[in-house]
Amino acid sequence: DAGVIQSPRHEVTEMGQEVTLRCKPISGHNSLFWYRQTMMRGLELLIYFNNNVPIDDSGMPEDRFSAKMPNASFSTLKIQPSEPRDSAVYFCASSLGTSGGYEQFFGPGTRLTVL
Amino acid sequence: QQQVKQSPQSLIVQKGGISIINCAYENTAFDYFPWYQQFPGKGPALLIAIRPDVSEKKEGRFTISFNKSAKQFSLHIMDSQPGDSATYFCAASRGTYKYIFGTGTRLKVLA
Repeated sequence: DAGVIQSPRHEVTEMGQEVTLRCKPISGHNSLFWYRQTMMRGLELLIYFNNNVPIDDSGMPEDRFSAKMPNASFSTLKIQPSEPRDSAVYFCASSLGTSGGYEQFFGPGTRLTVL
Repeated sequence: QQQVKQSPQSLIVQKGGISIINCAYENTAFDYFPWYQQFPGKGPALLIAIRPDVSEKKEGRFTISFNKSAKQFSLHIMDSQPGDSATYFCAASRGTYKYIFGTGTRLKVLA
């Protein structure tokens, strides 16, 4: 299995632009997570999908952030408009189940820089 | 009460030495404690995990020690190798998908 696939790996954009991050979870996994990692705040869960349905978006920082999962093999995280404080590494992860005992498999991340 | 406090922030160990990273939590409802390893430019990967019904779990050179009464758990890396140089995160979960991660420990093992 190829693991969780994320694209792009690096994104540099200017403040105010729209940014779309993409994720392909591991085939057969029914749970998908988006995380943000910064030096100041560490790893934060942004949103969690189960069977393509958003279950918990309490970590989404504000309305500028939105996420979709149109099917079991694809998810997007969109930031519109982007701001310099959104600069971070964004990880997508997937798992077979929803309890704490199921391993979350992380993708390689997208390093976002907003100028 | 949702925090997981991790220390030290960084650690330098000689090759062959023992690396010890500590985590403490407040919420007694946590029932799953994984450790993740992250290499530069990569996503975190599960290293080893423990539940509070056991006090120790060992996998190869990696051991988790768990002290339920003190609400602390630690990762021990025996015979540390340069290839172990990475950032290590502890985490805690209340039996759900929601992991509370520690702030990470950057380990460097000197050759």
